Amino acid sequence: AQTVTQSQPEMSVQEAETVTLSCTYDTSESNYYLFWYKQPPSRQMILVIRQEAYKQQNATENRFSVNFQKAAKSFSLKISDSQLGDTAMYFCAFTAYSSNTGKLIFGQGTTLQVKP
Amino acid sequence: ETGVTQTPRHLVMGMTNKKSLKCEQHLGHNAMYWYKQSAKKPLELMFVYSLEERVENNSVPSRFSPECPNSSHLFLHLHTLQPEDSALYLCASSQDNGIGGELFFGEGSRLTVL
Repeated sequence: AQTVTQSQPEMSVQEAETVTLSCTYDTSESNYYLFWYKQPPSRQMILVIRQEAYKQQNATENRFSVNFQKAAKSFSLKISDSQLGDTAMYFCAFTAYSSNTGKLIFGQGTTLQVKP
Repeated sequence: ETGVTQTPRHLVMGMTNKKSLKCEQHLGHNAMYWYKQSAKKPLELMFVYSLEERVENNSVPSRFSPECPNSSHLFLHLHTLQPEDSALYLCASSQDNGIGGELFFGEGSRLTVL
């Protein structure tokens, strides 16, 4: 069975600084996708960034980038130049190519507070 | 309206009540999902519908009954719930089963069972 673990329940960062959120996963699959989703307070969860396991290059979306270490089964999210609007709960998620239903396995989430 | 909308946003019910949660997606997607979000726990996938057919039932108790009358609407019928069923219920949709693709979520229905 696949599992996703986020070991940091809560984190805080000063505005304009950089923060890294950790995620590890366990799977026997060789082909899969990894995601980071953001859930702002009382708002909809949205996709932040996606990584395909067969790609060695780390995904980047503006201020958001990942450090994907396939052998270590690690998938961390780095937020550069943190902004107040980045305050949210962040979820790491996994889906295998073999899943024909788009089933996402989520971690427990990390609550990030960006302080002015 | 755009995106994925859920109603009601908040619901309080007794253990003997029957209520329903509604989800509507305006994105033209062909798959819809129900997730349960409890405090300090990972999101739990409950049901998946693809092309209006249920393709996954993740060992959910029968007191939760999903219905997908068309590709734009998804319901979760609730009856004789337990206090531990109190949670945020999230609806999501995707295109082409969402494999590797993006799930679009609603804001959720906050359920409290007394």
